Formats: sequence, C-alpha cells, structure tokens
Amino acid sequence: AQSVSQHNHHVILSEAASLELGCNYSYGGTVNLFWYVQYPGQHLQLLLKYFSGDPLVKGIKGFEAEFIKSKFSFNLRKPSVQWSDTAEYFCAVTPSLGGSYIPTFGRGTSLIVHP
Amino acid sequence: DAGVIQSPRHEVTEMGQEVTLRCKPISGHNSLFWYRQTMMRGLELLIYFNNNVPIDDSGMPEDRFSAKMPNASFSTLKIQPSEPRDSAVYFCASSAGNGIGETQYFGPGTRLLVL
Repeated sequence: AQSVSQHNHHVILSEAASLELGCNYSYGGTVNLFWYVQYPGQHLQLLLKYFSGDPLVKGIKGFEAEFIKSKFSFNLRKPSVQWSDTAEYFCAVTPSLGGSYIPTFGRGTSLIVHP
Repeated sequence: DAGVIQSPRHEVTEMGQEVTLRCKPISGHNSLFWYRQTMMRGLELLIYFNNNVPIDDSGMPEDRFSAKMPNASFSTLKIQPSEPRDSAVYFCASSAGNGIGETQYFGPGTRLLVL
C-alpha cells in the first residue's frame, strides 16, 4: 500500500515570502500525484495534479509542483505567497496501474500567511 | 453543475442517537468516497463506492458506521448509535470513471458534533 508524508505540519510566512511544502510518498510503481487546498471553513479543492509528462506542473493561483521520481517527492512551491493563501494543503497519491486505487492523503500542512 | 451536495451542513446530536449524512455526487461520476476529518487523525477515507457498489470499506471504524449507495445520485453514511468521538467533519467526494487516478471533487462537508 502507498503512503504519503508531509513533513511540515505548520508553516508561518509573511506575505511575499517564497513557499515550499514537502511531500514524499512510498510506492513501488508509477503514481498519480495531487495537491489539494482547503481554505478555512471550506471543502478540499484541487490545486494541481501530475499524471505523466513534464514533471513540473503548474496549477491555479500561481502554484507549481515538481515531481522528482528518484526522490519520491512532489513538493509544492509558490514564489510569493499572499494572505489569501492561508489554508491547509494536502498531498495525495494514487497508483497509476494496479495496486489500491484508493487515494492516500497526507496529514496536511497548515499555512498561515501574515499580511 | 452544482458540484457535490451534502446535507445537513451541520448536525448536533446527543450520544446514542442515530445520525444520517447524505451526499449527492456530481452527475456522471461513477465513484464516491466518504471521508472523515479530525484534528487528531487528519483526513481518513471511510468507504469507496464504484458504480454504486462498495469496493473498500476497510476504513469504516466499527459496526456503528454503515454506508449505502442505492443509486448513482445518492449515498448515505449512517452512525448508530453515535458517540462523542464521532464528532468530526464528514466529506463526500466523487470522481469520474473508476476513481483510479482521477481528480476528486469534494462536497462542503457535514460538521457533526455529538454531545
């Protein structure tokens, strides 16, 4: 079974600072990778996803993530955060072929951006 | 499309009472997921349906929890009897196809408080 680890549980930044949230997964085969965001009081929504092709994926609101297969990582980045980016961020993984098709979510990283 | 619809949005009940949570997936989506979110345990998958059939219910905490999907447009999650430790936000999500690698679309959640 696959697993996902998000190392940073809480991140506090000032506006305009750069952001990088770590996500590592464990699974022996090929995977699909996702980042979801949950704004305060709201439901989870997709930020970006990687299925295949260019390992650098661009999502909404200026976010991007890079899949590094050798490191089993899919870190989320944003060059300059805004106060409105305050939210909980979840990394998720599903096998591309075979295995358990049920997505596995990380525990989430809480981001607070000070204005 | 209205997105995934959940009801009620908030539920406050007393220990021992039966609780029924409802979900209407996005039309055309074949897969439906029920999740529970708590501060202590993060986001946990409870059960997954594909084409109205329960595929994996290994995440259902105990026999007090049951889920049904009588048709493609409706699912329920029932807790009987409810206990204070069941207090959480319960999310329903749906995805197209068989759910493998597909983006999940989450509902707004039901915030359950068991007194």
